[in-house]
Amino acid sequence: AQKVTQAQTEISVVEKEDVTLDCVYETRDTTYYLFWYKQPPSGELVFLIRRNSFDEQNEISGRYSWNFQKSTSSFNFTITASQVVDSAVYFCALSEADSGGYQKVTFGIGTKLQVIP
Amino acid sequence: DAGVTQSPTHLIKTRGQHVTLRCSPISGHKSVSWYQQVLGQGPQFIFQYYEKEERGRGNFPDRFSARQFPNYSSELNVNALLLGDSALYLCASSPFTTDLPGYTFGSGTRLTVV
Repeated sequence: AQKVTQAQTEISVVEKEDVTLDCVYETRDTTYYLFWYKQPPSGELVFLIRRNSFDEQNEISGRYSWNFQKSTSSFNFTITASQVVDSAVYFCALSEADSGGYQKVTFGIGTKLQVIP
Repeated sequence: DAGVTQSPTHLIKTRGQHVTLRCSPISGHKSVSWYQQVLGQGPQFIFQYYEKEERGRGNFPDRFSARQFPNYSSELNVNALLLGDSALYLCASSPFTTDLPGYTFGSGTRLTVV
């Protein structure tokens, strides 16, 4: 069974600080995808990144960066120089194909990030 | 282009009643997925539909059903509502079924069962 653990339920940082959100996953498959989504108070899930299991390159997009390490089954997300607009709940998710070849997605419980001005 | 639209945005129902939630995918997207998000939890997968056929189902009771129409819009139906069905119901669309899970989500329908 697949599982996603986000051990940090809530984090508070002061604006301009860097913050890392942790994500640890479990899967028996060798082919899978990992995601991060942002959920602002308005409720919609905003896609941030997708990473497949064969691509361990870290990625940077502006103030956002992701560190994928298969050896530790982790896919951590760092926000550099945090801003108040970064305040939201962030979800890590794991997707793998079921027996029918269709993607089955498991989300973590989410980490609520509060950036204090 | 319009994103994924869901209606209604909020709904209050009584235990035992039935509810229908609606979702219109992004134009050109043929796959729609439904998720339930209970307060304080991550979204849980309920259904995926593609070309009007069910392609995936999560661990939800038979009280939950869905369908997809020729225009690719979708309805989620829940019968015999329980208090525990109170949640945010999210719809996501994607172009294909074996493509990655829909990563364009709507804003959701918040269902409260009293």
